[in-house]
Amino acid sequence: DQQVKQNSPSLSVQEGRISILNCDYTNSMFDYFLWYKKYPAEGPTFLISISSIKDKNEDGRFTVFLNKSAKHLSLHIVPSQPGDSAVYFCAASALPFNKFYFGSGTKLNVKP
Amino acid sequence: NAGVTQTPKFRILKIGQSMTLQCTQDMNHNYMYWYRQDPGMGLKLIYYSVGAGITDKGEVPNGYNVSRSTTEDFPLRLELAAPSQTSVYFCASTDNRQGRAGELFFGEGSRLTVL
Repeated sequence: DQQVKQNSPSLSVQEGRISILNCDYTNSMFDYFLWYKKYPAEGPTFLISISSIKDKNEDGRFTVFLNKSAKHLSLHIVPSQPGDSAVYFCAASALPFNKFYFGSGTKLNVKP
Repeated sequence: NAGVTQTPKFRILKIGQSMTLQCTQDMNHNYMYWYRQDPGMGLKLIYYSVGAGITDKGEVPNGYNVSRSTTEDFPLRLELAAPSQTSVYFCASTDNRQGRAGELFFGEGSRLTVL
């Protein structure tokens, strides 16, 4: 009964194109969402977040979109760069934001 | 700043042995977490703590124990190691007092194999 799901284990994109990573959640109490990036043999690092009062948040090449009615969020990377090749995890939390639930990850490969 | 430091990085245990994974953070964060990552399964929360002296169970607490006697340290104890505990363990911390909920800082991970 995974509460946060990433149904695509992997994604391959050409350098310069857009990467779209998707995430679905089942718990309607979640109102804060995050994306993390993980390189091999390292811990995940925070990338971008969005609260439920917004439907979009941008930070440079990274944009997260939230569709609360569909319980779906996505991460857009434009333009994709080879250094973006990593595993991306989405995570979610509900008040009081004590616990964070992670998806299974999507491995992004950006080809030069 | 060292951030979040985990030791050891690698360990092989025999079934039934016990060990402690150490985690220390130097950012004065009040919240600390232990996650495990199994292949293709993402990160599962084992235990968490919202401050010294306070701990609570996460999604997969069975077979583990924690303590939080100081703000800096959050050790994870495995009492009777089982093959199912073979995994990569991550410690993380955050400071929710700054309103930056969820911006977890992770350690580099501890790879544990139980044979």
